[in-house]
Amino acid sequence: AQKVTQAQTEISVVEKEDVTLDCVYETRDTTYYLFWYKQPPSGELVFLIRRNSFDEQNEISGRYSWNFQKSTSSFNFTITASQVVDSAVYFCALSEAGGGADGLTFGKGTHLIIQP
Amino acid sequence: NAGVTQTPKFQVLKTGQSMTLQCAQDMNHNSMYWYRQDPGMGLRLIYYSASEGTTDKGEVPNGYNVSRLNKREFSLRLESAAPSQTSVYFCASSEIPAGVVNEQFFGPGTRLTVL
Repeated sequence: AQKVTQAQTEISVVEKEDVTLDCVYETRDTTYYLFWYKQPPSGELVFLIRRNSFDEQNEISGRYSWNFQKSTSSFNFTITASQVVDSAVYFCALSEAGGGADGLTFGKGTHLIIQP
Repeated sequence: NAGVTQTPKFQVLKTGQSMTLQCAQDMNHNSMYWYRQDPGMGLRLIYYSASEGTTDKGEVPNGYNVSRLNKREFSLRLESAAPSQTSVYFCASSEIPAGVVNEQFFGPGTRLTVL
């Protein structure tokens, strides 16, 4: 069975600090997809990134970067020079390709608080 | 292009009452999903529909039924609401070609309280 663990329930940092959100996953499939979503205080879910298991290249998008390491089954998310607008709950999610349209398995989320 | 829409946004029910949550998407996606979000639990899959005419149970299907009315619409029904079904419900859709899993697009959510 697939599982996603986000061990950090809540993180609080001061604005402009760098912060890393951890995500560890479990799956028996060799082909799978990993996702990060952001849920701001307004409540909607915003897609951030998708990564498949064959692409271990790290990705950078502005102040956001993702580190995918199959050897440790981790897909960590780093925000550089954090801003108050980054305050949100962040979810890591997993889908096995064999399951196709079976839906995502989410972690419990990390509540990120950026203090001014 | 509205994306994924859900109605209602808020609902209060009494124990034993029934209701249907509506979801529609205008992205021509094949697959649709219902999740519930509870504090500290993340999102959990209730039911999904891989394509029009098919539905399957997810992780937490008990107490719910679904209908994939057509390609656009996927409704979730609570036949006899219980306080344990107090939650925020999200509908999502995605295009899933064979062997590929794309991102899901989520609706704004329905906040349901069962008294």
